[in-house]
Amino acid sequence: TQLLEQSPQFLSIQEGENLTVYCNSSSVFSSLQWYRQEPGEGPVLLVTVVTGGEVKKLKRLTFQFGDARKDSSLHITAAQTGDTGLYLCAGAAMEYGNKLVFGAGTILRVKS
Amino acid sequence: DAGVIQSPRHEVTEMGQEVTLRCKPISGHDYLFWYRQTMMRGLELLIYFNNNVPIDDSGMPEDRFSAKMPNASFSTLKIQPSEPRDSAVYFCASSKGARIAFFGQGTRLTVV
Repeated sequence: TQLLEQSPQFLSIQEGENLTVYCNSSSVFSSLQWYRQEPGEGPVLLVTVVTGGEVKKLKRLTFQFGDARKDSSLHITAAQTGDTGLYLCAGAAMEYGNKLVFGAGTILRVKS
Repeated sequence: DAGVIQSPRHEVTEMGQEVTLRCKPISGHDYLFWYRQTMMRGLELLIYFNNNVPIDDSGMPEDRFSAKMPNASFSTLKIQPSEPRDSAVYFCASSKGARIAFFGQGTRLTVV
């Protein structure tokens, strides 16, 4: 069982559409990160959220940390083909020794 | 900064052979992590070091796996003897503090 459950596992959309991917857990996280990984590369950090209810924006990407710090979402507005990739959430929970653990990821494909 | 540097990028070896993966972390970072990524299991933390000292190796799958960090600028992950099920992409990551990780480009290991 994954400590962090990501949904959907796979998403294929047309350029210009909006989308939201989710990261959920039964554990409380002291912080949560979102990464994007492209084929043949390592994950690249997009954002870190640390406060319950926090919302961060990175251009067309909006990240939200749940009030209880157990879940997070990533919303992309007007997706572009360059957004294609694997989106991973990762978190550090005290009950797991504050080790950074990763969800299985959401594969996003944006078609032109 | 050049980022986290891993070598080799690709490794193909025969079952039973010894494999050594190398990592140079970002200068000034005090944490170093080794991860393994497969389609089935996603990103798994194998071991991490703080100030060159192994802190948690509970993710190392078997005694065939070992990791060292002789100094702040170099770490190795060794598999001896290698088996086909070890085939995966192995990532090294480093960070200042335990929660944010900068990843290398990975080593794609194929054991035949």
